[in-house]
Amino acid sequence: AQKVTQAQTEISVVEKEDVTLDCVYETRDTTYYLFWYKQPPSGELVFLIRRNSFDEQNEISGRYSWNFQKSTSSFNFTITASQVVDSAVYFCALSDSMTGNQFYFGTGTSLTVIP
Amino acid sequence: GAVVSQHPSRVICKSGTSVKIECRSLDFQATTMFWYRQFPKKSLMLMATSNEGSKATYEQGVEKDKFLINHASLTLSTLTVTSAHPEDSSFYICSASWTGGNYEQYFGPGTRLTVT
Repeated sequence: AQKVTQAQTEISVVEKEDVTLDCVYETRDTTYYLFWYKQPPSGELVFLIRRNSFDEQNEISGRYSWNFQKSTSSFNFTITASQVVDSAVYFCALSDSMTGNQFYFGTGTSLTVIP
Repeated sequence: GAVVSQHPSRVICKSGTSVKIECRSLDFQATTMFWYRQFPKKSLMLMATSNEGSKATYEQGVEKDKFLINHASLTLSTLTVTSAHPEDSSFYICSASWTGGNYEQYFGPGTRLTVT
């Protein structure tokens, strides 16, 4: 069965600190996609990244970086030099070929960046 | 590209009335649309999946007669909360995808429903 686990419910960091949000997934499929979304207080989901199961290269986008490790079924997200505007809830999600386009969301990690 | 809109963004209704939420894909044809419900400080809970021209598939525990979903065209799906009660107050989010779209969903901005 598909499952996404975000063990960190809430994280608080001081501005400019680095922070890593963990995501562990389960799927029996060999073809799948992993996603990260940001949900600010407004509620709208903001797409951050999509990674397919055949691409294990880490990705960096500005202060954001993602570490995909198939060996540990993890897709962790790191924010470098955090800013107050990074405060939000972050969701990791999985989609695989077995279930078409259905998403499996983690429970989310609420990040608070303290000025 | 791949923009999804929802209307209204906020709605307040009285207990016992029905409210309709629209989800539109603005620049693509959505073969599949999804409806989620999100309680405060919780994750998104999938309510139902609808394919254009077909009846929606509801997740276990979601009342079909209470949450009516219609996906009449490739760009529009509606969720009607019938005989709303305060416990139906929640944040409802729709998303849309298309066949061959790399398993990706495009999310609407959400609708906050408050039932008084």
